[in-house]
Amino acid sequence: KQEVTQIPAALSVPEGENLVLNCSFTDGAIYNLQWFRQDPGKGLTSLLLIQSSQREQTSGRLNASLDKSSGRSTLYIAASQPGDSATYLCAVIPLDSNYQLIWGAGTKLIIKP
Amino acid sequence: DGGITQSPKYLFRKEGQNVTLSCEQNLNHDAMYWYRQDPGQGLRLIYYSQIVNDFQKGDIAEGYSVSREKKESFPLTVTSAQKNPTAFYLCASSGTGVSGANVLTFGAGSRLTVL
Repeated sequence: KQEVTQIPAALSVPEGENLVLNCSFTDGAIYNLQWFRQDPGKGLTSLLLIQSSQREQTSGRLNASLDKSSGRSTLYIAASQPGDSATYLCAVIPLDSNYQLIWGAGTKLIIKP
Repeated sequence: DGGITQSPKYLFRKEGQNVTLSCEQNLNHDAMYWYRQDPGQGLRLIYYSQIVNDFQKGDIAEGYSVSREKKESFPLTVTSAQKNPTAFYLCASSGTGVSGANVLTFGAGSRLTVL
């Protein structure tokens, strides 16, 4: 059964630093992987979607990579800002899942001014 | 603007009561989902529906019930059989199939607390 893990559970860094969030999954047979952002007490917003045939996707200061062979994805945030403070979740759609997402628990990111 | 509306945002329930969480979407999405979110855990799927008048159980359906009488609406009832209902509940919608499932839109959530 597919499992998705995000380590660390929480991360605090000074403003301006570049940082990497990690997501690992146990089975590389996936349609795609997505990164989401969740602000406290709010719903989720999709940030980046990487199809299984792709290695990375970029949006502004965000870059996400995908390595199915090792079961890993990273979300790189450049020049972090206090407004980036949120919880970041990753999710995969396994090939045998009827298109249902399997979620990691998230990394809570705090950017200190 | 198109989106998903969840209500109420906060809800308190006494032991033994059933409560219903509302979810309405105007995105013309075929599929709708209910997730439960607990601290330190990933989202867990309660129920999902890919078409009107049809729905399937997710991983943690026990103690919950849903209906899908209209394409726009997918209410979730938390019954007294759910022993630990205090959580944050998220409703989402999407198109169908792998390309449609990519476009997952979430509501703002409803926080249920059992007194």
